[in-house]
Amino acid sequence: KQEVTQIPAALSVPEGENLVLNCSFTDSAIYNLQWFRQDPGKGLTSLLLIQSSQREQTSGRLNASLDKSSGRSTLYIAASQPGDSATYLCAVSSNDYKLSFGAGTTVTVRA
Amino acid sequence: GAGVSQSPSNKVTEKGKDVELRCDPISGHTALYWYRQRLGQGLEFLIYFQGNSAPDKSGLPSDRFSAERTGESVSTLTIQRTQQEDSAVYLCASSLVMAGNYGYTFGSGTRLTVV
Repeated sequence: KQEVTQIPAALSVPEGENLVLNCSFTDSAIYNLQWFRQDPGKGLTSLLLIQSSQREQTSGRLNASLDKSSGRSTLYIAASQPGDSATYLCAVSSNDYKLSFGAGTTVTVRA
Repeated sequence: GAGVSQSPSNKVTEKGKDVELRCDPISGHTALYWYRQRLGQGLEFLIYFQGNSAPDKSGLPSDRFSAERTGESVSTLTIQRTQQEDSAVYLCASSLVMAGNYGYTFGSGTRLTVV
């Protein structure tokens, strides 16, 4: 069974600081890894999708890396803003196409 | 529509009543998923539909839960004789043929409160 762990569970930083969110998974046989953002009381917004053959993906201030062999992914958010405050979820799609989610990292960016 | 649509957005029901939640996937998306998110917890897989294949129901927590989907269109998740522990946000997602290549798009969810 795929287990996904996200560290830290919560993070508070001043505006402008770079954010580093970590995700680890136990089974390296994955199809892809996806990072989502969830705002309180709302659904999930997809941020980045990394295929199993890729090492990283970038979108604006966001960069996600994937090291499949070691079962790790890192989401970097550059020059954080108060609007980046949310819960960030890492999800892995395994051989059976189900998504296995981590519990998330709740980020607070202080103005 | 442009995204995955779920209705209702909020539902309050009395314990013991049946509820039906609806999901409209993105047109052309053959795969559809239901997940549950309890307060302060991660997402739990419930059920997966892929085209006309038999659904993967392995995540349904009890026989009070059932889901249907006709072809590649709307899906409904039904919870019978609701219990307080059923209170959660129920999220639907859809994807193109192989999610491994295309990723998933989630709806905004239905917040179910059982009182």
